[in-house]
Amino acid sequence: KQEVTQIPAALSVPEGENLVLNCSFTDSAIYNLQWFRQDPGKGLTSLLLIQSSQREQTSGRLNASLDKSSGRSTLYIAASQPGDSATYLCAVKKAGGTSYGKLTFGQGTILTVHP
Amino acid sequence: ETGVTQSPTHLIKTRGQQVTLRCSSQSGHNTVSWYQQALGQGPQFIFQYYREEENGRGNFPPRFSGLQFPNYSSELNVNALELDDSALYLCASSLEPNTEAFFGQGTRLTVV
Repeated sequence: KQEVTQIPAALSVPEGENLVLNCSFTDSAIYNLQWFRQDPGKGLTSLLLIQSSQREQTSGRLNASLDKSSGRSTLYIAASQPGDSATYLCAVKKAGGTSYGKLTFGQGTILTVHP
Repeated sequence: ETGVTQSPTHLIKTRGQQVTLRCSSQSGHNTVSWYQQALGQGPQFIFQYYREEENGRGNFPPRFSGLQFPNYSSELNVNALELDDSALYLCASSLEPNTEAFFGQGTRLTVV
């Protein structure tokens, strides 16, 4: 059974800091890994998708890496801004077997960036 | 191109009642998945539909059921509502089961 863990559970930083969010998963049989952002009470916004064959993806100030063999991913946010405050969720998509395509999520990291 | 849309956005139901939530998938997407997100938790997989067939189910009781229509929109039905069913229900669509998932804004269900 796939388990996804995100560390830290919460993070509070001053504006302008670079920060790293961590995600680990127990089963390497994945199609891809997605990082999402969720604002309070809202749906999920996809930030980055890394295919299982890729090592990293970048979008603007965001960079995500994937080490499938060790079951780890990191999301790097450069020059953080108050508008980055949200919950960040990591999810892996199951490859093969029953329920293939199912996303398993971590509990999320609550990020607060203060001015 | 329209994104994933869910209706209604908020709903209050009484314990024991039944509810139907709806999801319109993104254009061209044949796969729809439903997730339940309790407060402070990550979303939990309920089930997935691929080309109108159920393609996997999570650890939810049979009173959670669904449908996918020929236009690939989907419904989630929950019978005999319990207080613990109060949650944000999220729908996601993708081109194929193994491709990027795009989520709707969710339906907030409160059971009283």
